[in-house]
Amino acid sequence: QQQVKQSPQSLIVQKGGISIINCAYENTAFDYFPWYQQFPGKGPALLIAIRPDVSEKKEGRFTISFNKSAKQFSLHIMDSQPGDSATYFCAASPNAGGTSYGKLTFGQGTILTVHP
Amino acid sequence: GAGVSQSPSNKVTEKGKDVELRCDPISGHTALYWYRQSLGQGLEFLIYFQGNSAPDKSGLPSDRFSAERTGGSVSTLTIQRTQQEDSAVYLCASSLGRPGKSRNTIYFGEGSWLTVV
Repeated sequence: QQQVKQSPQSLIVQKGGISIINCAYENTAFDYFPWYQQFPGKGPALLIAIRPDVSEKKEGRFTISFNKSAKQFSLHIMDSQPGDSATYFCAASPNAGGTSYGKLTFGQGTILTVHP
Repeated sequence: GAGVSQSPSNKVTEKGKDVELRCDPISGHTALYWYRQSLGQGLEFLIYFQGNSAPDKSGLPSDRFSAERTGGSVSTLTIQRTQQEDSAVYLCASSLGRPGKSRNTIYFGEGSWLTVV
């Protein structure tokens, strides 16, 4: 029940295209859904995050779509650029407070390659 | 410092030896986390500190793994009698740790790459 399932494992997109990565979860206690971007040899960095009271959040070229009833959320990267080539992780965490505060459960990651 | 600092950045050790990995969180961050990232895998939660206390250590894989945090700042992850399956990147992260409606962003260090030979 703590799992977050992410797909696809890898994704190749042409420059200017749209990259879409999907995640699904089971635990209804999750209430915070961030996406992290990781470049080789670096730690993950927060890209964008959403809470379940909204269905979509957009920051620049990055958009999270959230479907609470389906327990799914996705990352859309518009106008994908070669510099976006990285590994992307979705994650989820339950309510703040208590011993689980901030504890993130991560998906398995998606390796995105954007060809010029 | 400006970010989460981890040392060593790379460590090669022989099977059976003990290793210590150090994490220096962002100044003022009361919450500290250790995660493990194996090759081609996602990030696996190990332990969470709030201040010097560890209210959640449920992810530590065995009793060979331990962690402590002193002065509400620096944390050390110790792996005793290392095994080849311990080879991974050990990531430390920190956040403000303040409960409430506003979620505190978790910031990761660059990791300590451990290879057990």
